[in-house]
Order: sequence, then C-alpha cells, then structure tokens
Amino acid sequence: NAGVTQTPKFRVLKTGQSMTLLCAQDMNHEYMYWYRQDPGMGLRLIHYSVGEGTTAKGEVPDGYNVSRLKKQNFLLGLESAAPSQTSVYFCASSPPRYRNQPQHFGDGTRLSIL
Amino acid sequence: ELKVEQNPLFLSMQEGKNYTIYCNYSTTSDRLYWYRQDPGKSLESLFVLLSNGAVKQEGRLMASLDTKARLSTLHITAAVHDLSATYFCAVDIYGGSQGNLIFGKGTKLSVKP
Repeated sequence: NAGVTQTPKFRVLKTGQSMTLLCAQDMNHEYMYWYRQDPGMGLRLIHYSVGEGTTAKGEVPDGYNVSRLKKQNFLLGLESAAPSQTSVYFCASSPPRYRNQPQHFGDGTRLSIL
Repeated sequence: ELKVEQNPLFLSMQEGKNYTIYCNYSTTSDRLYWYRQDPGKSLESLFVLLSNGAVKQEGRLMASLDTKARLSTLHITAAVHDLSATYFCAVDIYGGSQGNLIFGKGTKLSVKP
C-alpha cells in the first residue's frame, strides 16, 4: 500500500538550475497539495489542486509552478532555484473536505540549493 | 493575518508524567487536525476534530476542540519514551471544499526516563 510517493528523496542543485519534484498517490484522492517545511516554521502551503487540470496558489507560491495533468500525479517545478528554496518539500493528498478525512503525506524531498 | 500558535514549542518530560500541548488559532474554524512527525520522517495523522466539544482519544493521547475559544489541546497521560516526536496542530481555514490547512510551528516533545 504505497499511499503518497515522492521522488526524488534527496537532491542538491546549484543556484539557477531547474528541477521538477514528482508526487504520485494511489488512493484516488481528488485533492493534492505541496508544502515546504523549514526549521521552526511548521509547514507552509505552496500550491494545491482540487482536481485534474486545476491548480491554485497557497501561502508561499512565488518561485514555484505546478501541474496536475493526471489525477494521481502532482508536479512541483522550480524554474530557477535559489538558496531560499532550500527546504524539505512534502506532498499530500486527500478526498474532498466533506469526507472528513485527514491529508496523507509523502516521505518528503530534501532539497539543497547551493 | 491568520495565526496558529502552539505552546510550548519545546517540551521535555519525564516518563510517567502528564502534560498538555495547546493550540490557539485566530480565525473561525470548525475543524482541526493533529499530526505527529518523527525526526526525518513524514507526518502521521493522529486526530481529526470536526466540531465544537469534540474529544478523541488514542492510547495515552487525548485531543479536544473548543471552537468558541479557538483552542485545541493535546493531553499526554503517563508519558513514555515512544511518544517523543514533534506534534503539529493544523487548522482548516476554509468553509469550502478544499480543506486548506494552516499549521502551527510544532511542539517538539522529548520524554526522558
């Protein structure tokens, strides 16, 4: 039972490089989310999606783009990485709010920007 | 600005003792979640609190929600070392369908023999 799978688990980038983080879920959840976690800051929402082909901005969207071409996948892109984007990135998924279920999280991607 | 404040942020307890973690939030919300995170790991859902007065218990942990006071508590009874982790509360800030969460900064709990 895989749940939410994130790839890669670790990555080191140089400033200005681009990359894409992949999130895949096998629970048939409609909603998917990308968060970043920084020391002492809790989790902050970057972007989210309420369904295939739809995305929306969260609390800290600048410098990131997302796409949800398939229901089970949610991609997070960094077009030009900056040291301030060094963080641990978590993907989560959930059914619609009325189902009263929590968000399920992946294991995280640890990203360092040099 | 919406704020979700947890206190304490750091908690060192002795095994067998009781303690409470508090989660205050600054906006109207009718649901709140508690998560646990072990070092270097993912977040694990502990409790889903869906209405005023909701109380949930699992083992040595009990969570409650008072929506009028905008306060949730996570009570630890007779702490054991295995409870050492960081605990986050997360407030559901939308009345719509997507259920966006605002997280507190977390309470790092260390239970010592």
